[in-house]
Amino acid sequence: DAGITQSPRHKVTETGTPVTLRCHQTENHRYMYWYRQDPGHGLRLIHYSYGVKDTDKGEVSDGYSVSRSKTEDFLLTLESATSSQTSVYFCAISESGQGKSSPLHFGNGTRLTVT
Amino acid sequence: DQQVKQNSPSLSVQEGRISILNCDYTNSMFDYFLWYKKYPAEGPTFLISISSIKDKNEDGRFTVFLNKSAKHLSLHIVPSQPGDSAVYFCAASRLNTNAGKSTFGDGTTLTVKP
Repeated sequence: DAGITQSPRHKVTETGTPVTLRCHQTENHRYMYWYRQDPGHGLRLIHYSYGVKDTDKGEVSDGYSVSRSKTEDFLLTLESATSSQTSVYFCAISESGQGKSSPLHFGNGTRLTVT
Repeated sequence: DQQVKQNSPSLSVQEGRISILNCDYTNSMFDYFLWYKKYPAEGPTFLISISSIKDKNEDGRFTVFLNKSAKHLSLHIVPSQPGDSAVYFCAASRLNTNAGKSTFGDGTTLTVKP
């Protein structure tokens, strides 16, 4: 298994509170991603990073921010959690870059419930 | 507009038979396709991929077929085993961009009955 650790694995929080999810990798891969999985929607990309301090938005980035100060860590922050952000969040890493292709390796997910 | 569609939410097959999972896409710029398998409480794991220069890729019991003119791909599992019971996601991306920016289908839940 690719060395990807997500923390926490489960979290319950109240509407309006800030939440930070952490993804840690030991593979030294350049690319890191945050996806959310919801019933009937598959996996949707929130934000991704192509290097330290280099990040960009995915298709469902509203209400989320990210930071990557080290190669191994990629943080996802919900500034003010809403019930629509109740979901399972997956971090993924990839070796690929421009002109290349390689699959994603996923962590085991964080189940977030916003009450 | 959903660019990658898996029209069958679920599929049930008997052990030893063939499982065929289907996926359609609308964006003709996609040129790299992947299948992932997901067990409950775990992250998806990569299964098999195919680039648009091929129409078939095989890896053991798993074969992916690509029909570019129909914008359709399928995953064949032969023979199916109970351990194959999982959710299968189809994903599509573009080779000249970061391949991690994949667009996923909604998934098909495969149940293989002993």
